[in-house]
Amino acid sequence: NAGVTQTPKFQVLKTGQSMTLQCAQDMNHEYMSWYRQDPGMGLRLIHYSVGAGITDQGEVPNGYNVSRSTTEDFPLRLLSAAPSQTSVYFCASSYSVGRWSYEQYFGPGTRLTVT
Amino acid sequence: GEDVEQSLFLSVREGDSSVINCTYTDSSSTYLYWYKQEPGAGLQLLTYIFSNMDMKQDQRLTVLLNKKDKHLSLRIADTQTGDSAIYFCAETHGGATNKLIFGTGTLLAVQP
Repeated sequence: NAGVTQTPKFQVLKTGQSMTLQCAQDMNHEYMSWYRQDPGMGLRLIHYSVGAGITDQGEVPNGYNVSRSTTEDFPLRLLSAAPSQTSVYFCASSYSVGRWSYEQYFGPGTRLTVT
Repeated sequence: GEDVEQSLFLSVREGDSSVINCTYTDSSSTYLYWYKQEPGAGLQLLTYIFSNMDMKQDQRLTVLLNKKDKHLSLRIADTQTGDSAIYFCAETHGGATNKLIFGTGTLLAVQP
């Protein structure tokens, strides 16, 4: 198993550009999520999904869109990038039953800089 | 709102014990977790404790939970240079284990 994979590893965007961060997992996990990691603030949940076709907002959803058309993929879209979205983004997945999920497996992260 | 706090930095000598502390606010948390992040990598789950437990031991790791004070600690015995990393505690949000609130992380530096 490859586990949780994320692409790209690094990205530089100009303010106002759009892009999609890719996340895929091959463990057949129902639950997937996106976090951002900023210095001194730990990880904050952006959006999550408890299964294909179901997404919900986390702690800091503004400026980001997600969709979950398959179990394997959970892309994160930035429609109009802002410098405040400069961060490291982590995708995670886990086996889950409703509100209960087991160990979350994290991807290696995408380092995004918005100038 | 929910808040999970940790001290930012801890320095220990190789072979000593390390104790990393965490305080949380959500009294409905069902599980509390410790994650390790090495440079340039994602987070790796180290251990977790169910909220009705006081202590959990797993090889060199000991987790202590004081539910009354909402205080969680991670003790690493015989700390090695390979333990140098950032350690995050996390609590479940509203009891739902698929929503985690993370602390700010503690950088553990192990001196040889």
